Order: sequence, then C-alpha cells, then structure tokens
Amino acid sequence: KAGVTQTPRYLIKTRGQQVTLSCSPISGHRSVSWYQQTPGQGLQFLFEYFSETQRNKGNFPGRFSGRQFSNSRSEMNVSTLELGDSALYLCASSLEGGGSWGEQFFGPGTRLTVL
Amino acid sequence: SQQGEEDPQALSIQEGENATMNCSYKTSINNLQWYRQNSGRGLVHLILIRSNEREKHSGRLRVTLDTSKKSSSLLITASRAADTASYFCARYPKGGSEKLVFGKGMKLTVNP
Repeated sequence: KAGVTQTPRYLIKTRGQQVTLSCSPISGHRSVSWYQQTPGQGLQFLFEYFSETQRNKGNFPGRFSGRQFSNSRSEMNVSTLELGDSALYLCASSLEGGGSWGEQFFGPGTRLTVL
Repeated sequence: SQQGEEDPQALSIQEGENATMNCSYKTSINNLQWYRQNSGRGLVHLILIRSNEREKHSGRLRVTLDTSKKSSSLLITASRAADTASYFCARYPKGGSEKLVFGKGMKLTVNP
C-alpha cells in the first residue's frame, strides 16, 4: 500500500496570505489527523477528521481549519498567515482514529515558511 | 502544553552501545506509543504498549511501562548509526478528548 502523501512538500508564503495543504491517507484509512511541529512548541495536535466530520480539535485559533472529503483525503487551510505559523505540518492517518487509540501513520510533512 | 517529557533531551553514544530513553506523563493513559523522526521528516511508529501491559519487544527495541510511576522507557540495544534520530513518546490519555499527545522528543546521536 502507498503511504500517506502530503502536498506540497515545501511552501513559502508572506504574512497575511492564506495557504491550503493537502493530505492523502493510506487506502482504507478513514481518520486523518493534522499536527504542527515547531522547535519551540514541539508537536501539537491541530484536528482530526473521521468520515468527513471533525471529531477532535486542538487549541489553535480559528485561522486554522480543515476538511475531509468522501475519499478520506483531507485539506487544512491557514488564513491570514503569521510569522509564527512557520512550521512543519504533519498529517497522519489511521484506520479508525482516536476511538481505537491505535498507531498513526505519518506523511513526510509540508514545510511552511512565512516571510 | 505537552504532558510529559522525554529524558534525557539529548543522548550521544557509540555504535554498539545501548540507548535508554525515558518518558514521564501526568494523566492516566489508554496506551503509550514511541515514534522516531529522522531530521525534518515524518514520524515512524515504533511500538505501542497498552496500559495493561508492562513490557513489549520489537527487534532491538524494548519498551517498558510503569503506570504506577506514570513512566515508560525505550531501550535500543546494539545501536547503529542509522538509529540517529529524534524519538518521541506519545500517549492517548484516558478520558477527555481522544487525541495523541506527544512529548517534546529526545535527540539520539549514534557515532560510528
């Protein structure tokens, strides 16, 4: 099976712009979670989608949003970018998600740089 | 904020030596997982240990869990240069929202 794929791998934006990141989970996985990784804060949970519904949400402002499509692919959007949004954004998929508390399979990440 | 931390934050050893990393946490868990991350890349799942398990092995990896002390350890035996990476423990807390909570990670350097 193909692994989790994320596009694009690298992105450079300027403050105030918006960005959309994409994640394709492993075939058959219905849960997609998003994480932000920065040197200062480490790995922080953004949100989880399961069957097109947001099931869990982390402590991030409303500028961060996401959605999941019927084929389980997910996108996350960040509006009005700030310098502090520069980070590695990781997507992870799992069969059932939080309810089964199982392992998550991570994509390679999208490195976002905000100038 | 992160619940729990890996200890030590950085470890440098010679190839062939064993590496032990510790993880502490504050709240009850459903399970605890260890992940590895090579520089700037995605995380790779290593091992999952459930709250009712005390020890688990996978190849050169051994994980222990002590729920009374709210701590876990990851032992890598006969380390190799390829084991150089950051290692994270992550926990599914019992109760509350069902999200995986990561520690800040520990950088392991294995010198050839």
